[in-house]
Amino acid sequence: QSVLTQPPSVSAAPGQKVTISCSGSSSNIGNNYVSWYQQLPGTAPKLLIYENNKRPSGIPDRFSGSKSGTSATLGITGLQTGDEADYYCGTWDSSLSVHVFGTGTKVTVL
Amino acid sequence: QVQLQESGPGLVKPSETLSLTCTVSGYSISSGYYWGWIRQPPGKGLEWIGSIYHSGSTYYNPSLKSRVTISVDTSKNQFSLKLSSVTAADTAVYYCARAVVVVAATSVYNWFDPWGQGTLVTVSS
Repeated sequence: QSVLTQPPSVSAAPGQKVTISCSGSSSNIGNNYVSWYQQLPGTAPKLLIYENNKRPSGIPDRFSGSKSGTSATLGITGLQTGDEADYYCGTWDSSLSVHVFGTGTKVTVL
Repeated sequence: QVQLQESGPGLVKPSETLSLTCTVSGYSISSGYYWGWIRQPPGKGLEWIGSIYHSGSTYYNPSLKSRVTISVDTSKNQFSLKLSSVTAADTAVYYCARAVVVVAATSVYNWFDPWGQGTLVTVSS
């Protein structure tokens, strides 16, 4: 059972915005940096956000990350059908000495 | 462009040892970074298994530590995973990835990029 909790699913119409929350604790999100991954169906995860809010080269600015206290949020604006995927947050847990991933959120474009 | 490719048996018998290799191209492992293994049971989420530095220092998920060995072969630009005493619960897609790990004064930076395409390992007799 993951120590990072995400909503199982979110959905919105094309062009709209969705936000995905990732809730943790002081031993993980509260004191360490968060990353986000996109996993398209049948493919490997891909890094979307690192260090809470930085985008790797090639990731459009429609994707954004933020962190406040023991929670982090991934935002996707201008939703496209190609954004339908599972999204995972991740961070280091200093108490468990383990890299932890969130429970995952499925994004559906209506 | 850094690319990673997993290889190894797709079927392992219960109680035996799972062995996978990750071949890195486009970057020399000995130049730096950590290198990690992550797995995903069918229909489930991601689980970090462990990571290794190019020098050979390792750190493992405590829940798997007693059964895991990760090693690196810089001459072949490869790193490997061995998981012993496997059961059906170890059936998963296994991914290798380059890992950024920085331990600052009060925080840890840790993310994975890029990832290999993954390989499904089924544990069954």
